[in-house]
Amino acid sequence: YVLTQPPSVSVAPGQTARITCGGDDIGSKSVNWYQQKPGQAPLLVVYDDRDRPSGIPERLSGSNSGNTATLTISRVEDGDEADYYCQVWDSYNDYEVFGGGTKLTVL
Amino acid sequence: QVQVVQSGAEVKRPGASVKVSCQASGYTFTGYNIHWVRQAPGQGLEWMGRINPKTGDTHFAQKFQGRVSMTRDTSINTAYMELSRLRSDDTAVYYCARPALGGGDWFDTWGQGTLVTVSS
Repeated sequence: YVLTQPPSVSVAPGQTARITCGGDDIGSKSVNWYQQKPGQAPLLVVYDDRDRPSGIPERLSGSNSGNTATLTISRVEDGDEADYYCQVWDSYNDYEVFGGGTKLTVL
Repeated sequence: QVQVVQSGAEVKRPGASVKVSCQASGYTFTGYNIHWVRQAPGQGLEWMGRINPKTGDTHFAQKFQGRVSMTRDTSINTAYMELSRLRSDDTAVYYCARPALGGGDWFDTWGQGTLVTVSS
C-alpha cells in the first residue's frame, strides 16, 4: 500500500496550510499524522483521521474521504514549520505504512 | 511518565551487525507492542517491524526479513532490534515506538532515536 504526499507546501503566517495524503480508498482506513522537527523524533498530532492528542492545538485538524486524507493547519505559525508524515495500517500485509513526508515552509 | 529510552549511537563496518535497545518505563511493558522505524539521512520514515513483548512474536517488513531480529527482555523492560549484514544504505536513525492505549495503530510514544552509521 502506497501513500503519496506532496514534497513541500509553503504558506504565509496566519494563513491555512493543507497537506494531503493520497492512497487507494484511504477513506476506509484510519489515518494518523506526525510532525517532525529537525533532530527530533516524530510527534503524533492527529490520530484516527481527526482526533488530537492532548496538548495539540485545535488549529491542527484532520479529514479523510475517498482517496485523500488531509491535515489542515489553520492560522499557521512559525513554529509549525516541520516535516509532516501520514501513516496507516495496511491490513492486507499487516504492515504500518508511512507517506513520504511533506515539508511545511512558513514564508 | 510513559517513555522509551534508546541506546546510544553506533558506528559499524559494512557486513557487521548492530543491536539497538529500547527501555520502557511508566507503563506495563508486556501490554503494548514495540515497533521499529528508521529514517535515513534526509529521507522519510520507514517501518521495519514489531515485537509483542508478552509473547515474543515478531512481524517484519518484507524488505528486512532475513536480516533483522527483534527480541525482548521482560525482566528489564527492554526491547532490542538487531540488523545484520549492514550496508552503507543502512545508515539511519532508528526509532522504537509504542502504539497508543486502546489498540489503535498510532504511535504516541517514541524513543529519542539511535544513529547507526555504516562506514568503512
